[in-house]
Amino acid sequence: DQQVKQNSPSLSVQEGRISILNCDYTNSMFDYFLWYKKYPAEGPTFLISISSIKDKNEDGRFTVFLNKSAKHLSLHIVPSQPGDSAVYFCAASAQTGANNLFFGTGTRLTVIP
Amino acid sequence: ETGVTQSPTHLIKTRGQQVTLRCSSQSGHNTVSWYQQALGQGPQFIFQYYREEENGRGNFPPRFSGLQFPNYSSELNVNALELDDSALYLCATNQGGGRGANVLTFGAGSRLTVL
Repeated sequence: DQQVKQNSPSLSVQEGRISILNCDYTNSMFDYFLWYKKYPAEGPTFLISISSIKDKNEDGRFTVFLNKSAKHLSLHIVPSQPGDSAVYFCAASAQTGANNLFFGTGTRLTVIP
Repeated sequence: ETGVTQSPTHLIKTRGQQVTLRCSSQSGHNTVSWYQQALGQGPQFIFQYYREEENGRGNFPPRFSGLQFPNYSSELNVNALELDDSALYLCATNQGGGRGANVLTFGAGSRLTVL
């Protein structure tokens, strides 16, 4: 039973444009959400997170939006750069800071120069 | 700051065998978690160790076991290997025993193939 879903396995975007990666979850107990980026042959790297008490968190070119009523979050990357090409995983936990993260299946982003 | 290192990077075993995977923690991190990532899937939580004791477990059978050592390094042991155990095994470390707004630092993983 997949509690965190990323329904788009891949996304291609032109350099300089906005990338929007989406994530849906089913467990209403989730209260902390994270995005990780993974390059080939490397472990996932933390990108940005958001607590359920917020609806937006911004860090440079990366912004995460949370819609609790829809159980949906999205990651916006503006402007997209070729170095952003990677697999992006959405993750959630039912306890802020808990290590038991539930991951989605990932979205492969390709930024075309 | 050394980061999280895992060994071996790749290994092949046959069904029924046992395997031990190793992880050295990032400097200053006292909590280690292990994840299994099957092909085409996201990482799935196996268990977590803090102060050398398991203090959280996902939906994995007892043949998956672990150890954490005083220097915070860790091992994942899998007995009676099955074909479905073929996956990338990721070690992740952080501070605080899984409490507080912590973020995991992942290693590059050990890819296990079971034939």
